[in-house]
Amino acid sequence: AQSVSQHNHHVILSEAASLELGCNYSYGGTVNLFWYVQYPGQHLQLLLKYFSGDPLVKGIKGFEAEFIKSKFSFNLRKPSVQWSDTAEYFCAVNARGRDDKIIFGKGTRLHILP
Amino acid sequence: KAGVTQTPRYLIKTRGQQVTLSCSPISGHRSVSWYQQTPGQGLQFLFEYFSETQRNKGNFPGRFSGRQFSNSRSEMNVSTLELGDSALYLCASSFLAGGNEQFFGPGTRLTVL
Repeated sequence: AQSVSQHNHHVILSEAASLELGCNYSYGGTVNLFWYVQYPGQHLQLLLKYFSGDPLVKGIKGFEAEFIKSKFSFNLRKPSVQWSDTAEYFCAVNARGRDDKIIFGKGTRLHILP
Repeated sequence: KAGVTQTPRYLIKTRGQQVTLSCSPISGHRSVSWYQQTPGQGLQFLFEYFSETQRNKGNFPGRFSGRQFSNSRSEMNVSTLELGDSALYLCASSFLAGGNEQFFGPGTRLTVL
């Protein structure tokens, strides 16, 4: 069955540090890929998405992610984090042409120290 | 454009009872998906409805059911509640069915005592 793994469950960084959150999935076919963010007390919202084309995707608030097909990965990066990036981050994958469900990872809780 | 709305926002029930949650998608969106969110488990897919038809279903028992109305509003029902059903239930809407960008509501926090 299709699955999504987020290896870091809890990450603590200082402001201005660089961030990379890992996401791997287990489907060999064509995929749509997403990163969603849930700030404290707010709705889940889309950070960025990849459907096709340039594997380096830029999203909101300075985030980017790189799709590496050979590694089944879609890692999220930000060169310099801010205190306001404290949130929970979810990677999600849709196996196109399979069952069309969007499967979410278990999330990574990011805490930025001021 | 108004966002996805869910009612009620909070609910407390006891074991054995049943509950109905409601979701109104963004205007023009015809796909509604439901997720269960619990600490450490992330979001687990319950089902997706598009044009009043269930397109997809996750691995949940038959106690979890849903439906969608002609105006795209959706309801989710859980019968014979168990303690483990305590969770945040999220609804997401999208314009198209399947693996497209989803817009999430604030969720309904269900507590089963």
